Amino acid sequence: GAVVSQHPSRVICKSGTSVKIECRSLDFQATTMFWYRQFPKQSLMLMATSNEGSKATYEQGVEKDKFLINHASLTLSTLTVTSAHPEDSSFYICSSHGRPTDTQYFGPGTRLTVL
Amino acid sequence: AQKITQTQPGMFVQEKEAVTLDCTYDTSDPSYGLFWYKQPSSGEMIFLIYQGSYDQQNATEGRYSLNFQKARKSANLVISASQLGDSAMYFCAMRDSSNTGKLIFGQGTTLQVKP
Repeated sequence: GAVVSQHPSRVICKSGTSVKIECRSLDFQATTMFWYRQFPKQSLMLMATSNEGSKATYEQGVEKDKFLINHASLTLSTLTVTSAHPEDSSFYICSSHGRPTDTQYFGPGTRLTVL
Repeated sequence: AQKITQTQPGMFVQEKEAVTLDCTYDTSDPSYGLFWYKQPSSGEMIFLIYQGSYDQQNATEGRYSLNFQKARKSANLVISASQLGDSAMYFCAMRDSSNTGKLIFGQGTTLQVKP
């Protein structure tokens, strides 16, 4: 399967700071990446679809000004949580297609804790 | 609207026994794809198996097989010869009909394998 990396794996920050999470596809070009959020013992909730070279498509209820997504190259998408608050503490995980199977492969996730 | 339902929040199985995790789906799209992912406590999402709606045979990958009942709209995962390392959360997912490639996830089933 395809390999997707995510960095950092864990981050603790103070309330009000911004945190950037990187998602990289290591062995294929990803025109589309997806960002999910997961609370403990719950399912994954899609936040946005990241499109290379164009604006991200956000799901209903997700604040685009709070969760900034940049997909500047075919191998890198970034999610920036701006002015983070304790309620933003969650597990953030990205995924990408692995052509030609159309299977989605996931990064290892980033656990964000906002104090 | 498309929907994925996993009705078993938690399941137990004895080591070396087989276990079936249920998944039902709802879609009006004639072409769709169904996925199963495993999420151990580390958080990574591990792709297990894929079934296309037009596939004639049930998908199999090692100890994993997918019992695809199209008329019943079910796509149950069967794990044979359970191992302690199979203890994890399991998610059933369906590719969204919007052709963006995004996945719709079920609520998940926590599987515990007893020694």
